[in-house]
Amino acid sequence: AQTVTQSQPEMSVQEAETVTLSCTYDTSESDYYLFWYKQPPSRQMILVIRQEAYKQQNATENRFSVNFQKAAKSFSLKISDSQLGDAAMYFCAYMNTGFQKLVFGTGTRLLVSP
Amino acid sequence: EADIYQTPRYLVIGTGKKITLECSQTMGHDKMYWYQQDPGMELHLIHYSYGVNSTEKGDLSSESTVSRIRTEHFPLTLESARPSHTSQYLCASSELGTGKPEAFFGQGTRLTVV
Repeated sequence: AQTVTQSQPEMSVQEAETVTLSCTYDTSESDYYLFWYKQPPSRQMILVIRQEAYKQQNATENRFSVNFQKAAKSFSLKISDSQLGDAAMYFCAYMNTGFQKLVFGTGTRLLVSP
Repeated sequence: EADIYQTPRYLVIGTGKKITLECSQTMGHDKMYWYQQDPGMELHLIHYSYGVNSTEKGDLSSESTVSRIRTEHFPLTLESARPSHTSQYLCASSELGTGKPEAFFGQGTRLTVV
């Protein structure tokens, strides 16, 4: 079974600074998708960024970028120029292309201070 | 824009009552999911569906049941609610077999059984 591990229960960053959230996963598949989702307090879970395993290039979305290391099964999220609105729970997630079950890590709470 | 709706947002109900949590999506997605989110924020997949008349149990055993009679509708039912069912329930949907596998989430239903 696929597993996703987020070893940082909580991270802190100051506004305008950069922070990196870690994620590792375990799978025997060669083709899959990885995601980072954001869940603000009492608000809807939204997609931050997606990475296809067959793509070597790291995905970027504005201030958000990933460092995808397929051999190491590592998928970290870098948030640049952090803003107060980035404060949320961040979940790393894995989806295999066959059965398409979406498996989540335990989440990292990001605190942003002025 | 993703449109997936969950009702009610909040529900407080007595032990032994039957409840149905509603989830509807207007995106025509084949895949739908129910997740249970515990107070520590961890997400557990309890049910999923590949399409009409398809339902599968997830990784976390649940006393709830689901049905998928229409593509857009994926309700979750608890025949006899217990305090142990108190949790946040998140519904999600995604396309099947396309290049856009990411799941879209509803706002969640926070269930309290007293």
